[in-house]
Amino acid sequence: NAGVTQTPKFRVLKTGQSMTLLCAQDMNHEYMYWYRQDPGMGLRLIHYSVGEGTTAKGEVPDGYNVSRLKKQNFLLGLESAAPSQTSVYFCASSYVTSGASEQYFGPGTRLTVT
Amino acid sequence: AQSVTQLGSHVSVSEGALVLLRCNYSSSVPPYLFWYVQYPNQGLQLLLKYTTGATLVKGINGFEAEFKKSETSFHLTKPSAHMSDAAEYFCAVRVDYKLSFGAGTTVTVRA
Repeated sequence: NAGVTQTPKFRVLKTGQSMTLLCAQDMNHEYMYWYRQDPGMGLRLIHYSVGEGTTAKGEVPDGYNVSRLKKQNFLLGLESAAPSQTSVYFCASSYVTSGASEQYFGPGTRLTVT
Repeated sequence: AQSVTQLGSHVSVSEGALVLLRCNYSSSVPPYLFWYVQYPNQGLQLLLKYTTGATLVKGINGFEAEFKKSETSFHLTKPSAHMSDAAEYFCAVRVDYKLSFGAGTTVTVRA
């Protein structure tokens, strides 16, 4: 199993450009998440999905959109990139259980907006 | 609202010394708590988690954490640090099916 994979690994954008980050998981997880990581701030949740065709806003959703057309994929879009969106982006997925199922993380995408 | 506070953004220890990373949480219900580790240029990896039952939780790589409800704490320890423990460590509390993370503690290990 590849687990959680993210594409691309690195990207440099100019202000105003758009891009889509792809997350794929092969563990048949129901839940998927997009986070951003900034120094000294831990991980902050951008958007998440509790199943195919459903998405919801997290803590810092402004400037981002997401789609979950297939259970195994979760896409994060930036319509008009801003320097404040320079960050490392992580995707994660988890099972649906009644207990505390942990999240499995991808390797991250390092995005720089100039 | 549930949140996590990690005390100390940087911890430096000598090889072979005790590693102690502090985490306090606020929660209105019995919490599910997690510790994750992030090695340089990698994603997060689960070290251990507390759900219910035994309050001392053992994880991978010799780490363990103790849940103390009276102190709302979930501190992470390792008796003897190894050079390979140099990484960033995150405490997290489950909120519904989402995780709320602390700001992280970077551990450096001196030879």
